[in-house]
Amino acid sequence: EPEVTQTPSHQVTQMGQEVILRCVPISNHLYFYWYRQILGQKVEFLVSFYNNEISEKSEIFDDQFSVERPDGSNFTLKIRSTKLEDSAMYFCASSEIFLAGVDTQYFGPGTRLTVL
Amino acid sequence: KQEVTQIPAALSVPEGENLVLNCSFTDSAIYNLQWFRQDPGKGLTSLLLIQSSQREQTSGRLNASLDKSSGRSTLYIAASQPGDSATYLCAVRPRNTGNQFYFGTGTSLTVIP
Repeated sequence: EPEVTQTPSHQVTQMGQEVILRCVPISNHLYFYWYRQILGQKVEFLVSFYNNEISEKSEIFDDQFSVERPDGSNFTLKIRSTKLEDSAMYFCASSEIFLAGVDTQYFGPGTRLTVL
Repeated sequence: KQEVTQIPAALSVPEGENLVLNCSFTDSAIYNLQWFRQDPGKGLTSLLLIQSSQREQTSGRLNASLDKSSGRSTLYIAASQPGDSATYLCAVRPRNTGNQFYFGTGTSLTVIP
């Protein structure tokens, strides 16, 4: 069964460093998402991406975040200058189509980001 | 802003028991509601998706209902098994905010053999 994959599974970085989290969505899916979950808190939406541009973003997704689909398979989340509060589990998700609520989002296993 | 609440926060039941997990949301203008399972340190597995026009969905031992007017959904698990132990999350997609989900804090379920 097709699945969303994410690399790395765990990333440790120093505060102020740039990190890139990678995702490979399900191949025929057209919508891509990033969510994050700070330990013990709710899963929070960051951004959605369609047709090579951001379609929606939350207030969390500020100028230090960016997303890119550099080729036909990868979808990346870049954090330019990490802060301690960026430590969280980051989930990538994809859906086949956005059609008035009938689509299901499929989530990857997550990347645990630890900022020291 | 949509707020999603799940009760109880944690639940422990003996194997074989039927159980109900609750989810409530503040804005009934939604496209759909999705129930997920999250195992420790792992990603989210989609269990059931209920569209706003539907009242329930079933998959195996799972049955999810939706009462949009009252802002509630329940996930019914029949004949619980130790393998059902996980955190169960509900998430709603509001009509007025495009394609993002709002998640609840989850119910941590432990099924005791």
